[in-house]
Amino acid sequence: ELKVEQNPLFLSMQEGKNYTIYCNYSTTSDRLYWYRQDPGKSLESLFVLLSNGAVKQEGRLMASLDTKARLSTLHITAAVHDLSATYFCAVNFGNEKLTFGTGTRLTIIP
Amino acid sequence: DTAVSQTPKYLVTQMGNDKSIKCEQNLGHDTMYWYKQDSKKFLKIMFSYNNKELIINETVPNRFSPKSPDKAHLNLHINSLELGDSAVYFCASSPQTAGDYDEQFFGPGTRLTVL
Repeated sequence: ELKVEQNPLFLSMQEGKNYTIYCNYSTTSDRLYWYRQDPGKSLESLFVLLSNGAVKQEGRLMASLDTKARLSTLHITAAVHDLSATYFCAVNFGNEKLTFGTGTRLTIIP
Repeated sequence: DTAVSQTPKYLVTQMGNDKSIKCEQNLGHDTMYWYKQDSKKFLKIMFSYNNKELIINETVPNRFSPKSPDKAHLNLHINSLELGDSAVYFCASSPQTAGDYDEQFFGPGTRLTVL
């Protein structure tokens, strides 16, 4: 079965702290995407990771992909309130569609 | 300019009614999708079309019928609405279904409430 799992599902963290969201997937893929969704809003593309060892950074967010471990991480550095949102990873297993993870609801506390 | 647009944004209707949601993209993409996001935020693909041809049809009740009049439009018609159809429906598009150009871009969503 093609599965994408994220953990944690909920994350509450203080401003200024660092944390990592994990995305594990069930079978071979080298195409992984991270999206952000604000409450009541659409999904915004954050990162596209297309090969083993790929690392992308934008501001306080950094995403990486380890295809051998079937793992992607989204690292948050010195969190600020504006980063509060739900973050999704999605994997293309070569079946012409994206399989989404369960999402991680991130709340940054002042 | 809006890249992927959907109408309506909100839809409130009674059980048993028939309704449609429209989607348009001005990105020149070949592929369009419909997703359903439930109350727990879980996103599941329903359909996808590539150049007006249906390529993905997930296990969705046949009360749901997509239609793509051209590659820039993908509509979703729902017959005999049920309470469990209440969700947010997202349209998305991508240049390709595979390869280096399969990143998907999402519309604003349509929140459907069935009473």
